[in-house]
Amino acid sequence: DTGVSQNPRHKITKRGQNVTFRCDPISEHNRLYWYRQTLGQGPEFLTYFQNEAQLEKSRLLSDRFSAERPKGSFSTLEIQRTEQGDSAMYLCASSPDRGQYFGPGTRLTVT
Amino acid sequence: AQSVTQPDIHITVSEGASLELRCNYSYGATPYLFWYVQSPGQGLQLLLKYFSGDTLVQGIKGFEAEFKRSQSSFNLRKPSVHWSDAAEYFCAVGARTGANNLFFGTGTRLTVIP
Repeated sequence: DTGVSQNPRHKITKRGQNVTFRCDPISEHNRLYWYRQTLGQGPEFLTYFQNEAQLEKSRLLSDRFSAERPKGSFSTLEIQRTEQGDSAMYLCASSPDRGQYFGPGTRLTVT
Repeated sequence: AQSVTQPDIHITVSEGASLELRCNYSYGATPYLFWYVQSPGQGLQLLLKYFSGDTLVQGIKGFEAEFKRSQSSFNLRKPSVHWSDAAEYFCAVGARTGANNLFFGTGTRLTVIP
């Protein structure tokens, strides 16, 4: 059973450094989402891809954040000049149409 | 604006007892509705979903949920809780058009006591 995978699972970085996360969706799913989850909260939507096109971005996605999905396969989420407020779990989900299937997440700690 | 309310932050039940987790939503039109479960440090697992049709939806692990349009609610139920059900439960709504991104409630933490 190949579900959604995310790497790395944990990342500790110093404030001001850049980090990049990878998401590999379920292979036949053309929709891919990124969410951010902070402690005690539900996930919040960041951005959405249909195939390789980034079709929607949340206001939460500041200029320091960028996401790509080359060739409509895996996706990367990069955070530049990390801040302590970026510490969170970053979740990726994929979907064939309706209903989203989540990966295990990448937990980012900014020190 | 869309919102999802899970009024119970934490619920404790005895193993074998029944369970009901509440979810109310505010949305412009009838959205898609979902329940997810999250174990500590893990991603979210889809328990069940409602798109249309029968308002009583069966999911995995013996869970069910009932959509009540008049009350804007989608409560999750299980007749007999197992110790392995201890986790965080999230209700979510999604648009029927566009990106279909999900809006989540703040979650209900379930503790199961022997």
